[in-house]
Amino acid sequence: NAGVTQTPKFQVLKTGQSMTLQCAQDMNHEYMSWYRQDPGMGLRLIHYSVGAGITDQGEVPNGYNVSRSTTEDFPLRLLSAAPSQTSVYFCASSLQGAPDNEQFFGPGTRLTVL
Amino acid sequence: AQKITQTQPGMFVQEKEAVTLDCTYDTSDQSYGLFWYKQPSSGEMIFLIYQGSYDEQNATEGRYSLNFQKARKSANLVISASQLGDSAMYFCAMREGLPGSARQLTFGSGTQLTVLP
Repeated sequence: NAGVTQTPKFQVLKTGQSMTLQCAQDMNHEYMSWYRQDPGMGLRLIHYSVGAGITDQGEVPNGYNVSRSTTEDFPLRLLSAAPSQTSVYFCASSLQGAPDNEQFFGPGTRLTVL
Repeated sequence: AQKITQTQPGMFVQEKEAVTLDCTYDTSDQSYGLFWYKQPSSGEMIFLIYQGSYDEQNATEGRYSLNFQKARKSANLVISASQLGDSAMYFCAMREGLPGSARQLTFGSGTQLTVLP
């Protein structure tokens, strides 16, 4: 049981490049979310999913796309990277109906856009 | 308006002393949950404690307790007997709505706690 895994751990992009941040969980969790954490700030929700085939926007969705074709995977796509997207990205998952304390975070991906 | 407010950007505490980290929240929902997470310098998010809006008792988890004052909309974290390993950033977060209805959290800006030997 690996929990929530994220790849890559670090990434440097040039402005305008695209890339996909990977998130996977092996706990059969229905709920998955993407957050970003900017320096000195708390996490802000980008997109979330309540199950395969269902996604919705969070607080800061612009510039990002998501899809949820399987329960296990929830990739985050940057369409055309901008320096403002330099941040640490966290993926989280939880089980529907579980007590609220059971939300699991991945280790994060540190992204720098030059 | 900010939904979660943490007014202490940085706090210092002497080892073995207790410390309180402040958190106030703003919601019109009757059902909500409040969380505290610890983020050490290594960057991972570690769940510490949870309080539901209908819970009558303050939550406790080992050395962590949550001082929940519903009328004041505050959910302060109390760490007893501080240890050097408690030095980290601490985030307060809130989930609005019924448990299980959504798992999206709103975070505060955090408090950097430093434990002094």
